[in-house]
Amino acid sequence: ILNVEQSPQSLHVQEGDSTNFTCSFPSSNFYALHWYRWETAKSPEALFVMTLNGDEKKKGRISATLNTKEGYSYLYIKGSQPEDSATYLCAFTVSWGKLQFGAGTQVVVTP
Amino acid sequence: NAGVMQNPRHLVRRRGQEARLRCSPMKGHSHVYWYRQLPEEGLKFMVYLQKENIIDESGMPKERFSAEFPKEGPSILRIQQVVRGDSAAYFCASSPWGASNQPQHFGDGTRLSIL
Repeated sequence: ILNVEQSPQSLHVQEGDSTNFTCSFPSSNFYALHWYRWETAKSPEALFVMTLNGDEKKKGRISATLNTKEGYSYLYIKGSQPEDSATYLCAFTVSWGKLQFGAGTQVVVTP
Repeated sequence: NAGVMQNPRHLVRRRGQEARLRCSPMKGHSHVYWYRQLPEEGLKFMVYLQKENIIDESGMPKERFSAEFPKEGPSILRIQQVVRGDSAAYFCASSPWGASNQPQHFGDGTRLSIL
């Protein structure tokens, strides 16, 4: 079983503050690393798919970096807003079409 | 453009009954994936299907579970003789093709409760 670990499990952020959290994954046989945002009672929403070492992706105030050699990815939220409150999942492509998900980092942004 | 549609949203079954969960992928998507989220756990891969073919079923329990994606109509995840341990949220996702650099687009899930 390939382990995808996310830390921290949860974090509380003051509105306007920036934050970041980690996803670690196996560094061998790398295909792709996915980030999803999952709000309560909704479906997971795809944020980024990252494939190349050193990749940086950005979507509004959210960005992600990728280090495939050491097996980690960071997700950054700049100037957190209450609407950023969600669980952020990373997923490692194990094989064609098969994703191994981490347990997620739950982000709570308080006004 | 409609997203991935799953129905029903909630399904209640008694032990021993059959549960059928449906998933209509996004328009133009021919690859479907099923994931299960057991209580207090994360999303776990079950099966990957392309029209009329099972590509990877390595996450499917060996007994009672089956999946299909016919040429016409939605993908179906079928659970026979349900037990309490089958209570979970079942999510379907789809993509236009199966490349690893493509995001999978998820539906809202079916919450299955076994009495």
